[in-house]
Amino acid sequence: GAVVSQHPSRVICKSGTSVKIECRSLDFQATTMFWYRQFPKKSLMLMATSNEGSKATYEQGVEKDKFLINHASLTLSTLTVTSAHPEDSSFYICSARNQGSGSGANVLTFGAGSRLTVL
Amino acid sequence: AQSVSQHNHHVILSEAASLELGCNYSYGGTVNLFWYVQYPGQHLQLLLKYFSGDPLVKGIKGFEAEFIKSKFSFNLRKPSVQWSDTAEYFCAVNAANQAGTALIFGKGTTLSVSS
Repeated sequence: GAVVSQHPSRVICKSGTSVKIECRSLDFQATTMFWYRQFPKKSLMLMATSNEGSKATYEQGVEKDKFLINHASLTLSTLTVTSAHPEDSSFYICSARNQGSGSGANVLTFGAGSRLTVL
Repeated sequence: AQSVSQHNHHVILSEAASLELGCNYSYGGTVNLFWYVQYPGQHLQLLLKYFSGDPLVKGIKGFEAEFIKSKFSFNLRKPSVQWSDTAEYFCAVNAANQAGTALIFGKGTTLSVSS
């Protein structure tokens, strides 16, 4: 089945530094990937839609200059948290949609998530 | 805009009890509906989905859900829960027939099953 890999799974950084999180679709191509943020005991909040070869589409209230998204290829999207602060500490999850045909085409596959802790 | 409401925040059951988790959505058009499960320390996994056709859908691990269009609901059920069903359950929706749309999630329901 479809697999989405996220790296790193955990990262601790100092306040003011930038952190890059990678999301890869391992066995399928994904024109579109989605980045979510999950707070403790809370649901997943959609941050942005990552589009291959074009700019990401950000949800209202998400700072595009802080959360830089690049979708360089059909299998890779990256989220860079710039000048991270403690309030950016969270669980970031990416997902990708299999562009293939059939019932699986409209199902999102999720990565395992990346836990960011900003000291 | 779409929204999803899950009524039960935390459900506590004994093994073998029956389960029903509520999910209602708000959207003016046709939707696809999903239930995802997140076991402790693991990533989200798809339990079941509804796109069209028979409104009663069966998923993995004995779960099923029924789409009731008139009530905008997609409740999750299982006749007899097991301790291993302890997890976080998320209902999600996206617009049907629109390629590339993201899933909108409910706030989740924590299910705790005691043995």
